[in-house]
Amino acid sequence: NAGVTQTPKFQVLKTGQSMTLQCAQDMNHNSMYWYRQDPGMGLRLIYYSASEGTTDKGEVPNGYNVSRLNKREFSLRLESAAPSQTSVYFCASSEAMTHGYNSPLHFGNGTRLTVT
Amino acid sequence: DAKTTQPPSMDCAEGRAANLPCNHSTISGNEYVYWYRQIHSQGPQYIIHGLKNNETNEMASLIITEDRKSSTLILPHATLRDTAVYYCIVRNNAGNMLTFGGGTRLMVKP
Repeated sequence: NAGVTQTPKFQVLKTGQSMTLQCAQDMNHNSMYWYRQDPGMGLRLIYYSASEGTTDKGEVPNGYNVSRLNKREFSLRLESAAPSQTSVYFCASSEAMTHGYNSPLHFGNGTRLTVT
Repeated sequence: DAKTTQPPSMDCAEGRAANLPCNHSTISGNEYVYWYRQIHSQGPQYIIHGLKNNETNEMASLIITEDRKSSTLILPHATLRDTAVYYCIVRNNAGNMLTFGGGTRLMVKP
């Protein structure tokens, strides 16, 4: 049981390049999330998917797109990378995010992205 | 969203109890308090959560004041491996996201 798996672990991009960060979970969770963490700071939510087929913006969605490919997979795409997107990106999943349902998040170990 | 306030850093001696405080004075009645921790370079790890009553699991205890305006996470016998950033989070009204603040950097010392 791997939990939440993120690929790649490290990536260096040049400004303007595009890439997709992959995330997969094997816990049969309904909800998935993408966070970013800048050096010395807490996590900020980029996008989330409450259930298969739905996606919504979080706190900092600009410059990103997401796809909930199926129940297991939730990808994050940078169409035109900028140095301000240099960060560590974490994917997470939870059983559900229905109002009042207190389902903990399970996180992957992150993708470290540098944009030069 | 209810905001949380935590001290930026704390030290604890190995083997002693670590008590990490959190202020959430604007919490509303149906919001839960969650605690996560992040060990260097890893993804955050869920520790415990609660609504009104005190909670205990194999990792920690959570004490929530009667007015719910503050809480304390207790690691009963801290080890060096407990050195991490600890985040206190309140789930927002829509229940659709957890907002992480700056957290408390706990250093467990030998």
